[in-house]
Amino acid sequence: GAGVSQSPSNKVTEKGKDVELRCDPISGHTALYWYRQSLGQGLEFLIYFQGNSAPDKSGLPSDRFSAERTGGSVSTLTIQRTQQEDSAVYLCASSPSQVDEKLFFGSGTQLSVL
Amino acid sequence: GDSVTQMEGPVTLSEEAFLTINCTYTATGYPSLFWYVQYPGEGLQLLLKATKADDKGSNKGFEATYRKETTSFHLEKGSVQVSDSAVYFCALWAHNTDKLIFGTGTRLQVFP
Repeated sequence: GAGVSQSPSNKVTEKGKDVELRCDPISGHTALYWYRQSLGQGLEFLIYFQGNSAPDKSGLPSDRFSAERTGGSVSTLTIQRTQQEDSAVYLCASSPSQVDEKLFFGSGTQLSVL
Repeated sequence: GDSVTQMEGPVTLSEEAFLTINCTYTATGYPSLFWYVQYPGEGLQLLLKATKADDKGSNKGFEATYRKETTSFHLEKGSVQVSDSAVYFCALWAHNTDKLIFGTGTRLQVFP
C-alpha cells in the first residue's frame, strides 16, 4: 500500500482480555518497529523486526506482550490479560532496511482498557 | 543509556511569531538527530534531520542545527502559521542499537 496501515484504529477492551494489533508496513520495507505512546510519556520503543526475526525485544514491558512478523510483511502485537496501564496509542513504523534512519509511521491503534 | 529531553508544552503562539522548541540529548558516539511532527489525526512524519556536528536540517521553514558542544538540536521557525499546530518530537538514532529514541513531544498551538 501507499503507507503503513494499522488496524484497528481504536480498540476498547475489558481488563483481562487479550488483544491483537495489526501492522501492514510499506511494501518492500524489511525493518518494522513497534512503539507505544502514552500520555505525557513520549514514544516508548517496544520491539523491532528485521525480516521475520526480532533482534531487539528489550522494550517489551512484560511477558504479557509478544509480537510476530510473517512473510517479512504483516506484524501482529499481542497483549494478553490486558491491564489498565496498557491503555495507550500503539504505533508501528517501517523502513527500507535496518540501518535506514528514516521511519515511516502508521496512524496508530488507540487501545483503551476499561 | 541514550536519551532525549525536550521542553514541555504546550507552546502557545500567535500567528507569525518566532518559534523555538528546545531539545538536548545524551548519547554515546555521534548519533543522527531528527525532528518528527504529528499533525492532528495523522501519523508521525519526518520534518528534518542532521547527521553530524554543525549540520543544519531544514524543511517547511523549520530549522535545527546539530550542536555537539551543547548536545542540542533546537527547532526554530521564524514565522509560525496556524497550520503548524501539531506535536513535535525530537529524536536520535542510536547507532549502537539501530533504533530511534524519542523525547516526550511538545505540543504547539498557533492562534490567528
